Amino acid sequence: GAVVSQHPSRVICKSGTSVKIECRSLDFQATTMFWYRQFPKQSLMLMATSNEGSKATYEQGVEKDKFLINHASLTLSTLTVTSAHPEDSSFYICSARNNRASYGYTFGSGTRLTVV
Amino acid sequence: GQQLNQSPQSMFIQEGEDVSMNCTSSSIFNTWLWYKQDPGEGPVLLIALYKAGELTSNGRLTAQFGITRKDSFLNISASIPSDVGIYFCAGQLFPGNTGKLIFGQGTTLQVKP
Repeated sequence: GAVVSQHPSRVICKSGTSVKIECRSLDFQATTMFWYRQFPKQSLMLMATSNEGSKATYEQGVEKDKFLINHASLTLSTLTVTSAHPEDSSFYICSARNNRASYGYTFGSGTRLTVV
Repeated sequence: GQQLNQSPQSMFIQEGEDVSMNCTSSSIFNTWLWYKQDPGEGPVLLIALYKAGELTSNGRLTAQFGITRKDSFLNISASIPSDVGIYFCAGQLFPGNTGKLIFGQGTTLQVKP
């Protein structure tokens, strides 16, 4: 079945530094990947849609210069949180769209980011 | 951002009881999905619904896509302790197919053995 690997699962960084999160589709090609953010006891909020070979589409209110997305290949999208601050601490989840499957969305296991 | 209205927000039930939760929206969706999320993990798909009126089962789980395309429910029969978790509905907007999913607020389920 479709598997999406997200790395790292947990990361702690100092305020002002940048953190990169990787999302890989292991057994299928994903032309589209999605990045979500989830605060404790809340739902998943879509941050951006990542398209292979083109610029990401950001949701309203999401700073594109702060949350850099790169989708350089059909199996890898990265989210870089630049100049992280404590309020960026959250659970970040990616999903990949498998166009060959009857149901297209597979989620990664998430990354817990803590900025200290 | 846009969200679906999911209820109830939380449930605390006895093992063996049936559970029902639902989602409604003012927008029409062409796909409804139900997920379960365990703490510290990503959502896992339970049931996918593609047609208005569709009723689909997956073991003890049953979900339906509302006729109006604006609502869906999920039933869990004979609950067991491992059903504990957060359940989310998600919809893909219609018309258009940008691929984006909109999530409900989640229903936290606790099962007492």
